[in-house]
Amino acid sequence: SQTIHQWPATLVQPVGSPLSLECTVEGTSNPNLYWYRQAAGRGLQLLFYSVGIGQISSEVPQNLSASRPQDRQFILSSKKLLLSDSGFYLCAWSGGALDEQFFGPGTRLTVL
Amino acid sequence: GEDVEQSLFLSVREGDSSVINCTYTDSSSTYLYWYKQEPGAGLQLLTYIFSNMDMKQDQRLTVLLNKKDKHLSLRIADTQTGDSAIYFCAENGNSGYALNFGKGTSLLVTP
Repeated sequence: SQTIHQWPATLVQPVGSPLSLECTVEGTSNPNLYWYRQAAGRGLQLLFYSVGIGQISSEVPQNLSASRPQDRQFILSSKKLLLSDSGFYLCAWSGGALDEQFFGPGTRLTVL
Repeated sequence: GEDVEQSLFLSVREGDSSVINCTYTDSSSTYLYWYKQEPGAGLQLLTYIFSNMDMKQDQRLTVLLNKKDKHLSLRIADTQTGDSAIYFCAENGNSGYALNFGKGTSLLVTP
């Protein structure tokens, strides 16, 4: 069966520090991968998606970047965090016949 | 992008039925989904419905789809306190690979 992992689960970082969040998927190959941000426990904002290694599409201009160095690995990064980067970051994958997305457990990021 | 709209809050008493509504605008959607998010956790796919169906029932969950009005609803029978969560409606319309999510409805179940 397929599983999706995210780490760390929680992170507290000072403004101006770098960021690296990791997401890995097991049990499937060539998944579509997604990064979402959920602010204040509300709606989902799609940040990036990837349909293959090295292929990244950005949905909104921002202080963040994403990379996909391996088929089942998706990384969210920043060189210098802003206060507004605080939120709950969710990774997801898709690839089934129903187009449904499966979500990881999320990373709670607090920028102070 | 295409919009998916949901009411933000719903409060029901334990044992009553809950009905969460959603409207969408993209008529090219082939699947519509309901996700559940418990506090501090990721989203869990609850159920889905194919766009050529009117209704789908899965235990305590009933999904109704009115494709003409682009209206989707999720009914939870015999609502329990464990059903308290945020419920997201989503559709896979003509937006590429991503799903379009609503902003979520917070369901509060009171004893």
